[in-house]
Amino acid sequence: NAGVMQNPRHLVRRRGQEARLRCSPMKGHSHVYWYRQLPEEGLKFMVYLQKENIIDESGMPKERFSAEFPKEGPSILRIQQVVRGDSAAYFCASATSGRAGKDTQYFGPGTRLTVL
Amino acid sequence: DAKTTQPTSMDCAEGRAANLPCNHSTISGNEYVYWYRQIHSQGPQYIIHGLKNNETNEMASLIITEDRKSSTLILPHATLRDTAVYYCIADNAGNMLTFGGGTRLMVKP
Repeated sequence: NAGVMQNPRHLVRRRGQEARLRCSPMKGHSHVYWYRQLPEEGLKFMVYLQKENIIDESGMPKERFSAEFPKEGPSILRIQQVVRGDSAAYFCASATSGRAGKDTQYFGPGTRLTVL
Repeated sequence: DAKTTQPTSMDCAEGRAANLPCNHSTISGNEYVYWYRQIHSQGPQYIIHGLKNNETNEMASLIITEDRKSSTLILPHATLRDTAVYYCIADNAGNMLTFGGGTRLMVKP
C-alpha cells in the first residue's frame, strides 16, 4: 500500500508566479490535511479537506492561498502570486476519518517550495 | 488542543533506552496524546498514541501517568537512525495537529 504521495518534491518559482502542490492520499483515505513548515520552525496547520469539501481552513492565509480536494484526483494546494515568504516545506497528511484517537494522520514527504 | 511542554534537546547512547518526557497538564478528558517524529527534513512519522492506558507497538512504548498530566515516550534500544525531532501532541479535535518545538534527540555512538 503506497503511502501519501506529494509532487513535485521540489518547486522553484519566481515572485509573482503561481505554485501548485499536489497530494495523493493513501488508498482508502478520504481526509486530507495540509501543513506548512517555515525554515527552522515547526509545522503549522493550514487546511483540512474531505472529498469536495473544505472542513477547516482556519490556518490558511486569507489571500493568495486556496485548496481543493476534488471527487477524482489529488488534493491541490494553490498559491497565487508567490512571494519570498512563501518559501517553505508543505506537507500533506491523510487519514481514513477525522475522529480523534480513532484514526491517525500519515504524512507525505513534502514539497519544498523556493521562491526566487 | 492542550499545550504540551517538552525539553528542547536530549542525548542518548546508541543501544540504550531513550526516554522522552512530555508535560500536558491542561489536557482534557477526551484528548489523546500523539507522538510523531521528523527525521531531518522528511515528513513527520507517526509513532504511537494513547488516551489513558499505556501503549506499546513495534516502534515504541507510551507511558501515561494516572492523572494524564504527563507522558513518556520510550524507544527501548535507540539507534543512530532514531536521531530526530520528536513531537508530543495532545489532540481531541481530529482536525488538526498542533506541533510545538519538540525534542531534538541525538543518538550518539
